[in-house]
Formats: sequence, C-alpha cells, structure tokens
Amino acid sequence: AQKVTQAQTEISVVEKEDVTLDCVYETRDTTYYLFWYKQPPSGELVFLIRRNSFDEQNEISGRYSWNFQKSTSSFNFTITASQVVDSAVYFCALPSTSGTYKYIFGTGTRLKVLA
Amino acid sequence: DGGITQSPKYLFRKEGQNVTLSCEQNLNHDAMYWYRQDPGQGLRLIYYSQIVNDFQKGDIAEGYSVSREKKESFPLTVTSAQKNPTAFYLCASSSSGLSYNEQFFGPGTRLTVL
Repeated sequence: AQKVTQAQTEISVVEKEDVTLDCVYETRDTTYYLFWYKQPPSGELVFLIRRNSFDEQNEISGRYSWNFQKSTSSFNFTITASQVVDSAVYFCALPSTSGTYKYIFGTGTRLKVLA
Repeated sequence: DGGITQSPKYLFRKEGQNVTLSCEQNLNHDAMYWYRQDPGQGLRLIYYSQIVNDFQKGDIAEGYSVSREKKESFPLTVTSAQKNPTAFYLCASSSSGLSYNEQFFGPGTRLTVL
C-alpha cells in the first residue's frame, strides 16, 4: 500500500530561522513522482515542486530547497531564513498506484513563523 | 487569468437539505477532482473525473454526487445522506490525470451544517 507520512504536526520558528519539513513515503513503484503543496490561510493549495524518482539531485528555488533520498524514502523540504509569509500548512503528496488519478496526501505540517 | 473558481466561499445547510458546490475552471484541463479537508487532516478524495461525462468514486464518495456535463464544470452535491458534511471542500484540476501532472486548486468552500 502507498502511504505518505508527515510526522510533524506543527512547527513554530522565529523569523529568519531555517526549518525543515519531513516527508516519508512508501511505494512499491519503481517510477513515481512526489509533490509538495503549500496551503496558506486563504485555503487554496499552491503547487511548489514535483520530483521524479529518477532524479535525486537536490532542488533549490530561492529560499526553498528539497532533499530527495530514495534510500530512506524521504523527500524533505527546507526553508532558509524563514519569513512570516511562509506561515502555512505544507502537504507532501504521492500519486497512487491504484489509479493514475488519485493522489495520496500526507496529513500536512502547519508552519508558524513568528516575527 | 486562468484558474479555478469555487462558489460559494461559505455555505450553511440545514440538516436534511441537499446543497450543490460549484467548481469552474478555464485552464482547459481534462481532469477534475473534489477533496474534503477536515481540521488537522490531509485531503481525502471524494470524486474525480478524467473526461467529460465520466467520473469515478474516490475514497469517501458516500453521501455525495457529481456531474461532468461540460469540460470546465464539475459541481458537487452534498446530499442529506452524508452524515457529517461540515468540512472544507476543495476542487482541483490537472491537464490530464497522469501522475506527473500537478493539480491546481480552487479557493475552497467551507460548508457548515446547522
């Protein structure tokens, strides 16, 4: 069975601190994709990144970086020099093998960045 | 601007009533989805549609119904058979249903049963 685990329910940091959000997944597929989405207080989920299982290079986009490690089935997300605007719920997601149209979402990590 | 619109933003329902949540997209996407989000939980799939006039049940379809008569529209009806409908409902779309396509989300509808 496929599964996505985000063990951190809520994290609070002070502005300018670095923070890492963990995502651990389970899949029997040899080829798969992983996603991160951000849900700000407005409620609308915003796509952040997609990673395929063939590419284990770390991805960096501004203050955001992602560390994908197949050996530990993890796809962690780091925010460097956090800002108040980063406060949101972050979801990790894995498309289901039972149908290409279904995503398995983690339960999300609520990040609070305090000024 | 292209995107997904959901209406209404807030909806109140009396017990025993059916209500319909609207979802419209102008992204020319084939696939559309409905999710339910409860406090502290992830997203759970209610229904999805790959193409017009076709839709499939997700993990929690009981008490809900959908239609897909037009490519851009995927309304969700919450029926009186849904025992605990109070939740935040999100509509999404993707260019196709393939696993590498990201999903685009609407702003959501918060449904409260009085």
